[in-house]
Amino acid sequence: QQQVKQSPQSLIVQKGGIPIINCAYENTAFDYFPWYQQFPGKGPALLIAIRPDVSEKKEGRFTISFNKSAKQFSLHIMDSQPGDSATYFCAAKTLGGNEKLTFGTGTRLTIIP
Amino acid sequence: GAVVSQHPSWVICKSGTSVKIECRSLDFQATTMFWYRQFPKQSLMLMATSNEGSKATYEQGVEKDKFLINHASLTLSTLTVTSAHPEDSSFYICSASTPGGQETQYFGPGTRLLVL
Repeated sequence: QQQVKQSPQSLIVQKGGIPIINCAYENTAFDYFPWYQQFPGKGPALLIAIRPDVSEKKEGRFTISFNKSAKQFSLHIMDSQPGDSATYFCAAKTLGGNEKLTFGTGTRLTIIP
Repeated sequence: GAVVSQHPSWVICKSGTSVKIECRSLDFQATTMFWYRQFPKQSLMLMATSNEGSKATYEQGVEKDKFLINHASLTLSTLTVTSAHPEDSSFYICSASTPGGQETQYFGPGTRLLVL
């Protein structure tokens, strides 16, 4: 029940395209859903996060779509650039600073020129 | 945004030695810090949750006597890998939660450990 399933495992998109990464969770107690971007040899960096009281959140070129009834959420990257090539992790947790994050398995995104 | 640092960024040691990794929250006080390890092309695996002034909570399967965690202040947590062996070679990452019950976790840049 603690799992967060992420797909696809890898994704190749041409520059300017819109890669979409999907995640699904089972634990209905989760109420905070962040996305992290990780470059090789670096720690993850928080990209954007959403709570279940909204169905969509946009920050710059990154958009999270959230479907509470389906227990799914996804990351869209608009006008993707080669510099967006990285590994993306979705995660989920219950609110509260002490609560641990449950991570998805990651998606390796490659944006080709 | 909040900044978390780690030191060292990479370390090579001989089998049987101990290695200490520091995690610092630079511009905020973190009552809770988390330690992860990450193998190549894999997701982050939580090792333990570190609370300031109390004993760390370890995840199932993580040896607390091998991975010693000390969270002595609101800005510093340390992970000591004792009697390191080649199988302990990994990428170790810490994160810290901002105070006030906020949900955001900020991650450090990671420490690459290679045990020969």
